[in-house]
Parts: sequence; C-alpha cells; structure tokens
Amino acid sequence: AQSVTQPDIHITVSEGASLELRCNYSYGATPYLFWYVQSPGQGLQLLLKYFSGDTLVQGIKGFEAEFKRSQSSFNLRKPSVHWSDAAEYFCAVRNQAGTALIFGKGTTLSVSS
Amino acid sequence: KAGVTQTPRYLIKTRGQQVTLSCSPISGHRSVSWYQQTPGQGLQFLFEYFSETQRNKGNFPGRFSGRQFSNSRSEMNVSTLELGDSALYLCASSPGLNNQPQHFGDGTRLSIL
Repeated sequence: AQSVTQPDIHITVSEGASLELRCNYSYGATPYLFWYVQSPGQGLQLLLKYFSGDTLVQGIKGFEAEFKRSQSSFNLRKPSVHWSDAAEYFCAVRNQAGTALIFGKGTTLSVSS
Repeated sequence: KAGVTQTPRYLIKTRGQQVTLSCSPISGHRSVSWYQQTPGQGLQFLFEYFSETQRNKGNFPGRFSGRQFSNSRSEMNVSTLELGDSALYLCASSPGLNNQPQHFGDGTRLSIL
C-alpha cells in the first residue's frame, strides 16, 4: 500500500540556519510527490511538486526538494530559515489511481531567534 | 484569481444532527476533493468529484456524502454526527484529473458537542 512517512514530528531551527525536513514514501511506480505547508487556522499551501525530470525541484518561498528514487525519499530543504517559516509541513504522494493525495503525519517547524 | 472558498469557516453542532459544508473551487477547476484533518488521524481523503460524478471515495462510513453541481461547486454532508466527526474539513480543487496539483481552501472547522 502507498504510504508517506515523515520521521520528525517536531523540529526547531534557529533563524538563519538551514533546514531539511525528511519524507519517505512507499509507492510501486514513479511517484507524484508534493510538499504543502499549513499555518495555524489555514488550509494547505503548495510549496512544490515533483512529477518527472530533474530530481531537484524548486518551489516557492525559497524551498527546494530532492527526489531520490534509491532512497524512496523526497526531502525538503531551505538554506536560510525565516521566522515566518514556522508552520506545519506535509509531504504527500498521489495515489496509484491518481485520484487522491496520501499525506504524511506532518512535521511542525519552530524557528528560534 | 480567487482561491478555493469554503463556507462556513466554523460550525458547532450536537451529536445526531447533520451538517452541510460548501466549497467553491478556483474558477476553471473542475475537480474537487474533500479531506478530513484530525490530530489523531492526520489528513484523510474523503472523496473526489469531477463533472458532477464521484470518482473516488475514501474509507469513511456512508454518513459522509457529497455532490458536485454543474458550476463545479461542491457540498459535503455528514448525517447523524458523532463526537469523532470533529475535525477540519478541507476542500481542494484542481483543473482536471490525475496528478495535477490540488489547491486547498482554508477549511471548515466542525466541532461536535
């Protein structure tokens, strides 16, 4: 069965430091992968997506993610974190039928000054 | 371009009642999906509609139902409400089918007393 694992429930990073959020997926074919961010009381905002091609994808707000098929991973990175990046981050994979997203449990990012 | 609009933002109901939530997709988007978000279960897929037809349904009881209108607006209904139905209900729209990014609304927060 398809699944997404985000091993880190909560991460704290100092402002200006780099960030990497981990995501591992279980999927039989070429996955369609997404990262979303959710601020308190808000819906999900799409940060970036991977469908095919270049394994390093750029997103909004300075985020990028790298698809590594050999490790079944799609980790999200940002070189310098801003206080406004504090939020919950979700990794998702499109299910095999292409009809729904399967989400990880999310990683809460706190930014310290 | 206006985003996905969900109404109402907040609802309080009691056990046994029924509720209807509304979602207006981004203009031109024809696919609408619904998700339930709870602290314990995370984000779970409810169903997807395209061209007024339900294309896929998640693992939820029959008390959860939905429909889509000719203008792509969608409603979901939950009957005989239970305490466990307390959640954030998110609607997402995409231009068409299969692996296109979904854009989410801010959700309806449903509380069951």
